[in-house]
Amino acid sequence: AQSVTQLDSQVPVFEEAPVELRCNYSSSVSVYLFWYVQYPNQGLQLLLKYLSGSTLVKGINGFEAEFNKSQTSFHLRKPSVHISDTAEYFCAVSLSGTYKYIFGTGTRLKVLA
Amino acid sequence: DTGVSQNPRHKITKRGQNVTFRCDPISEHNRLYWYRQTLGQGPEFLTYFQNEAQLEKSRLLSDRFSAERPKGSFSTLEIQRTEQGDSAMYLCASSFRSAEAFFGQGTRLTVV
Repeated sequence: AQSVTQLDSQVPVFEEAPVELRCNYSSSVSVYLFWYVQYPNQGLQLLLKYLSGSTLVKGINGFEAEFNKSQTSFHLRKPSVHISDTAEYFCAVSLSGTYKYIFGTGTRLKVLA
Repeated sequence: DTGVSQNPRHKITKRGQNVTFRCDPISEHNRLYWYRQTLGQGPEFLTYFQNEAQLEKSRLLSDRFSAERPKGSFSTLEIQRTEQGDSAMYLCASSFRSAEAFFGQGTRLTVV
């Protein structure tokens, strides 16, 4: 069975500081990897995705993530955060075939002034 | 193309009542998914359609839940005899021959 672990439930960080949100997954088959952001009472917006190819993936709003197959990780990074980045971030894996998603429990990023 | 549309955005219902939610996917997207998200948790998969065929249902989907996608276009999710534990955000997503899914804004259900 597949699973996704987001180790940090909350991450406070000061504005303009760098941030890393951690994501580890477990799967016996190949998966696709995603990061989504969710603002209060909103749906999910795709930040970035890893389907194949380069393990360093760049997304919207200055975010990037690196796929590490040996460590089964897909950590999300941003070199300098803004107040507007305050939101809930979800890591997800998608299974080939059905493409249904398995999500982590989320990390609440709070950017402090 | 206005993206995935879900209606209503909010629904408050009394315990024991039936509710129905609607999802309009991005046009020509052949895959449609329903997820449920409770407070402080990530979305959990409920069910999946390819065109009009419902191909997979989660064990989370009890007998009180039913989903349809007539003609492979919009989809409805019905919950019968609602319980307080059904209170959650219900998210719909669609995709077209790829792993990337596009999500709607969700329907927040509150059972009182």
